Amino acid sequence: KQEVTQIPAALSVPEGENLVLNCSFTDSAIYNLQWFRQDPGKGLTSLLLIQSSQREQTSGRLNASLDKSSGRSTLYIAASQPGDSATYLCAVPYNNNDMRFGAGTRLTVKP
Amino acid sequence: NAGVTQTPKFRVLKTGQSMTLLCAQDMNHEYMYWYRQDPGMGLRLIHYSVGEGTTAKGEVPDGYNVSRLKKQNFLLGLESAAPSQTSVYFCASSPGRVLYGYTFGSGTRLTVV
Repeated sequence: KQEVTQIPAALSVPEGENLVLNCSFTDSAIYNLQWFRQDPGKGLTSLLLIQSSQREQTSGRLNASLDKSSGRSTLYIAASQPGDSATYLCAVPYNNNDMRFGAGTRLTVKP
Repeated sequence: NAGVTQTPKFRVLKTGQSMTLLCAQDMNHEYMYWYRQDPGMGLRLIHYSVGEGTTAKGEVPDGYNVSRLKKQNFLLGLESAAPSQTSVYFCASSPGRVLYGYTFGSGTRLTVV
């Protein structure tokens, strides 16, 4: 069974700092990995989708990497801003018609 | 583009009442999903559909029914609401299988008292 773990559960950083969020998964036979952002009381917004054949995806200040063999992905946020404060979730496909989600990392960027 | 729209956004039900949550997508996606999100449990799949007229059970289907009469709509029904169904419900859609990732709606916060 696929298990997805995100560490740390919560992170607080000062504005301007670069940071890394971690995601690990137990079954490396994945098609892709998706990173989402969830604001309090809101839905999930897709940030990056990395296919299994890729090692990195970039969007603005965000860079996500994928290492299937080690069962890990990282989300790098450069020059963090208070507006980046949210919960970040990673997810991987499971059983063709489902996804397994991590519990998320709650990020707070202090002005 | 509206993407995935869920209605209602909030609802309070009494135990035993019924209701239907509506999910609508305007991206011509084949696949649609209903998830629930609970503290400490993450997101869990309730039901899904791989095309108009099809539905299938997910991880936690008990107490829920679904219908996909039109490609763009996916309805989630609670026939007799229970306090254990208090949760945030998310609808998602995808162009095909999991290769393409998901697009989520903004959620419905349901409280059963």
